[in-house]
Amino acid sequence: QLQLQESGPGLVKPSETLSLTCTVSGASITTTTYLWGWVRQSPGKGLEWIGSIYYAGNTYDNPSLKSPVTMSVDTSRNQFSLKVNSVTAADTAIYYCARHLIGSGTYYPHDWYFDLWGRGTLVTVSS
Amino acid sequence: ILLTQSPSSLSASVGDRVTITCRASQGIGSYLAWYQQKSGKAPKLLIYAASTLQSGVPPRFSGSGSGTDFTLTISSLQPEDFATYYCQQLNTKPLTFGGGTKVEIK
Repeated sequence: QLQLQESGPGLVKPSETLSLTCTVSGASITTTTYLWGWVRQSPGKGLEWIGSIYYAGNTYDNPSLKSPVTMSVDTSRNQFSLKVNSVTAADTAIYYCARHLIGSGTYYPHDWYFDLWGRGTLVTVSS
Repeated sequence: ILLTQSPSSLSASVGDRVTITCRASQGIGSYLAWYQQKSGKAPKLLIYAASTLQSGVPPRFSGSGSGTDFTLTISSLQPEDFATYYCQQLNTKPLTFGGGTKVEIK
């Protein structure tokens, strides 16, 4: 059964780097059908798309985010990762990894709905 | 693209017909998805392309609309439907979500 599982530190200090990994089990990450994404949810608030990555390393991120992000893929481990740099309290959130179709392509995200999600992991930014 | 959901919360009884609206700040065709999120859980995809039901989702859920105005309807609310519902636009990047509608028990 295909599953996604986030892992990483639950507490990060302000100005440091938040690092998370999503492990894909039950299927290969090297699919040409899907992209692998990150979505976060601040406490008591709505959902925010962080970005998505293709297994070959192509990335698509949200330019509206205040903190710079880096995404990467490790096909040997069937994992993809997220780094959020210079975090502030505003980066405190539940972080989800999720899968979405590439569909009609990567310019228009017309098929980029998330059909499979990890359980999410809470990351708190605090000194 | 800004998505505005209304109402932000509602109270309803089992068996009620419930309608949630999502308005986009500009036209997005039919590129809209709906999700259900229960407390402490990840969102679950209900509908995509504005009206296509995701596999395994009960047919009491339906979606409609195009352009800027969309609706999610639950024809007969069931106990397991009490949750928060989000819309998401898929017309242009960055992907954005609505603020959510919490459906509570009356």
